[in-house]
Amino acid sequence: QQQVKQSPQSLIVQKGGISIINCAYENTAFDYFPWYQQFPGKGPALLIAIRPDVSEKKEGRFTISFNKSAKQFSLHIMDSQPGDSATYFCAASHGGATNKLIFGTGTLLAVQP
Amino acid sequence: EPEVTQTPSHQVTQMGQEVILRCVPISNHLYFYWYRQILGQKVEFLVSFYNNEISEKSEIFDDQFSVERPDGSNFTLKIRSTKLEDSAMYFCASKTQPNTEAFFGQGTRLTVV
Repeated sequence: QQQVKQSPQSLIVQKGGISIINCAYENTAFDYFPWYQQFPGKGPALLIAIRPDVSEKKEGRFTISFNKSAKQFSLHIMDSQPGDSATYFCAASHGGATNKLIFGTGTLLAVQP
Repeated sequence: EPEVTQTPSHQVTQMGQEVILRCVPISNHLYFYWYRQILGQKVEFLVSFYNNEISEKSEIFDDQFSVERPDGSNFTLKIRSTKLEDSAMYFCASKTQPNTEAFFGQGTRLTVV
């Protein structure tokens, strides 16, 4: 119930292509779905986040698509660049005293020049 | 830009020794967290802290672990008797309100030998 399943584990995309990473959850109490980007040796940094009252959110080249009925959400990176090469984690949390984040297993993205 | 700072960046310790990992959260933040990331794996929640007390802890956070906010600025994680399996990156995070962005520090790499 508390798990967030993420796929694929790794992804290779050509420069300029679209990177798509998918996540699925079970707990319908989750109400906040962020994506974090992590470079080697660094902490996770928030990339973009969505709440379940909208089906899509776009910030620059990054878009989250959210399907509440299917309990799935995905990250789309348009015009992928070599600088986007990193590990991407989806996460989920629900309202309450702690709002801890439940992370997916991560996707290692490599954008080839 | 305000950031969460963690020290040390890398700590090597012998099995059975006590370690203290230190964090300085962003100054106006009220909710504090420790997460752990074993090499190559996902980020896992350890503990949340609010109003000078633990609000939630995971099953990983056993009696060997403790947290403290000794002086209103630092937030520490103590492991009393380290085990080999405690080797991981430990991330501190903080936020202003429950359902807002969590800001992560750069992490402390703990190596238990």
